[in-house]
Amino acid sequence: AQSVSQHNHHVILSEAASLELGCNYSYGGTVNLFWYVQYPGQHLQLLLKYFSGDPLVKGIKGFEAEFIKSKFSFNLRKPSVQWSDTAEYFCAVNAATDDMRFGAGTRLTVKP
Amino acid sequence: DGGITQSPKYLFRKEGQNVTLSCEQNLNHDAMYWYRQDPGQGLRLIYYSQIVNDFQKGDIAEGYSVSREKKESFPLTVTSAQKNPTAFYLCASGFGGGTGELFFGEGSRLTVL
Repeated sequence: AQSVSQHNHHVILSEAASLELGCNYSYGGTVNLFWYVQYPGQHLQLLLKYFSGDPLVKGIKGFEAEFIKSKFSFNLRKPSVQWSDTAEYFCAVNAATDDMRFGAGTRLTVKP
Repeated sequence: DGGITQSPKYLFRKEGQNVTLSCEQNLNHDAMYWYRQDPGQGLRLIYYSQIVNDFQKGDIAEGYSVSREKKESFPLTVTSAQKNPTAFYLCASGFGGGTGELFFGEGSRLTVL
């Protein structure tokens, strides 16, 4: 089965700093890739997804992610974070089937 | 409102007892999932179902059981065989067919005393 690794457990940034969260997956075939976000006290919700086509995908709230097939990576980025981006971020993958696997999550704290 | 309803939100159980967590969705989704969320371990897949009367084991199915008798419902039973059942359990649903996006419930926190 596919697996997902997220490199950072906890990231602390000041407002306006740039963000990059790492995500690598292990699976040799075609995959669909996702980033989900869980704001404090809220449900998990989809941030962005990649199925095919342009490897640079844009999501909500100014987030984007780049799929690099050769590196099995799908890193999440945002040029300038805000205090409201404080949340936990999860990378997920499914191998074009329905068994979605998630990474361990990265907790982002943005200091005002 | 359309969505996923999990109940109960909090549950306490004595060791040796089975407990069933409810998950209902009115989104007309074919696929439903159960995950366990533990600090530092993310979401781990327990079981998933792509269609009524069919389900597959995920990565940590031991000590758990499920049923899918109706499209809307996917209850999870935590049995006494589960060695470390205290956790936060999340139910999700999606259209399936590899389209991916999942919608999550609020979760159920189970504490074994």
